[in-house]
Amino acid sequence: NAGVTQTPKFQVLKTGQSMTLQCAQDMNHNSMYWYRQDPGMGLRLIYYSASEGTTDKGEVPNGYNVSRLNKREFSLRLESAAPSQTSVYFCASRESGGANVLTFGAGSRLTVL
Amino acid sequence: SQKIEQNSEALNIQEGKTATLTCNYTNYSPAYLQWYRQDPGRGPVFLLLIRENEKEKRKERLKVTFDTTLKQSLFHITASQPADSATYLCAPTSGTYKYIFGTGTRLKVLA
Repeated sequence: NAGVTQTPKFQVLKTGQSMTLQCAQDMNHNSMYWYRQDPGMGLRLIYYSASEGTTDKGEVPNGYNVSRLNKREFSLRLESAAPSQTSVYFCASRESGGANVLTFGAGSRLTVL
Repeated sequence: SQKIEQNSEALNIQEGKTATLTCNYTNYSPAYLQWYRQDPGRGPVFLLLIRENEKEKRKERLKVTFDTTLKQSLFHITASQPADSATYLCAPTSGTYKYIFGTGTRLKVLA
């Protein structure tokens, strides 16, 4: 099993450009999450999807949109990138029932110039 | 609003000693609390979960306590090793789908 796969791993954008970060999980998890991590700020929740067909805002949703394409895939879109969105982005999925543990992807490092 | 505090300063400890990390939370009542480890350049990895009705949980050299009165969890690593050096994150969770993390504490175990 691959777990949680994020693409791309690295991306450089110019201010105003758009892009989509892709995330896919193969563990049949219902819930999926997008976080950003900045030095000294820890992990901050951007959006989450409790189940296929639903999405909700987290702590820092401004400037982002998400799509829960199907049970496996949850994408994060930056419509008009800003330097403040330079960060490392992590996708995670949550097992259904049981300990409700999050499994994270390896991260996507985004730089906006 | 909900607030989660972890010591933002790095914790340096000598090999073989016990490392103790603190997680304090305010303005909510989590049903359980999770601890994760994060190595540089990688995503966090789950370590331990403790429920509100449990006082203590152990896994090998790891021990977690959960005091719902103090609104605090302590994470202990006994007989620490240089390989334990990492950032440790706590996530008090109220049973909803919204998982919020503390800022993490960086631990460095000196050989």
